[in-house]
Amino acid sequence: EADIYQTPRYLVIGTGKKITLECSQTMGHDKMYWYQQDPGMELHLIHYSYGVNSTEKGDLSSESTVSRIRTEHFPLTLESARPSHTSQYLCASSGGAHNSPLHFGNGTRLTVT
Amino acid sequence: RKEVEQDPGPFNVPEGATVAFNCTYSNSASQSFFWYRQDCRKEPKLLMSVYSSGNEDGRFTAQLNRASQYISLLIRDSKLSDSATYLCVPPGGSYIPTFGRGTSLIVHP
Repeated sequence: EADIYQTPRYLVIGTGKKITLECSQTMGHDKMYWYQQDPGMELHLIHYSYGVNSTEKGDLSSESTVSRIRTEHFPLTLESARPSHTSQYLCASSGGAHNSPLHFGNGTRLTVT
Repeated sequence: RKEVEQDPGPFNVPEGATVAFNCTYSNSASQSFFWYRQDCRKEPKLLMSVYSSGNEDGRFTAQLNRASQYISLLIRDSKLSDSATYLCVPPGGSYIPTFGRGTSLIVHP
């Protein structure tokens, strides 16, 4: 049973389309994160949030944007998808003290044709 | 210097073997660490937390060496199901978790 949910699991979309990847958690966690991961490679942080109305860019330059209007919801939007955006996108959350572990959603596998 | 470095492997071991991975970190202020396990094309899942000198959970033992800035993961009596990538994660700068490529383990019959 997952406490952090990502939809869709798989998405195939054409170049230039606008897409939003959804992420919701029911644990009341303040901190949420988006990572991008290519097969066999490390996770790259693209966005994170410390709480409502807080959003920050991560280490990896990204053409995506995020919002955090509600504690439980942290959607990621690509205004114009490109083939270079093809990847797996993982959402995570953590709560409590600053040294709490991350809980991951099961990911969205995006293919841009 | 990267915040965390691990030998990517793969470590190829037979069932029943004992295997150990090391992970070095650069942020000497890090107080807690985590080992995650990631199966192919799946999300990482928390395996162990290390808040002091070490932690043990069944066949898994994690140890922290602050003087040398490394943590280790020891797996005893390896099972086929232990085959996965193991990720060492310190909190990172501003306590934002940072990930390396991890260490790949393959347990064969």
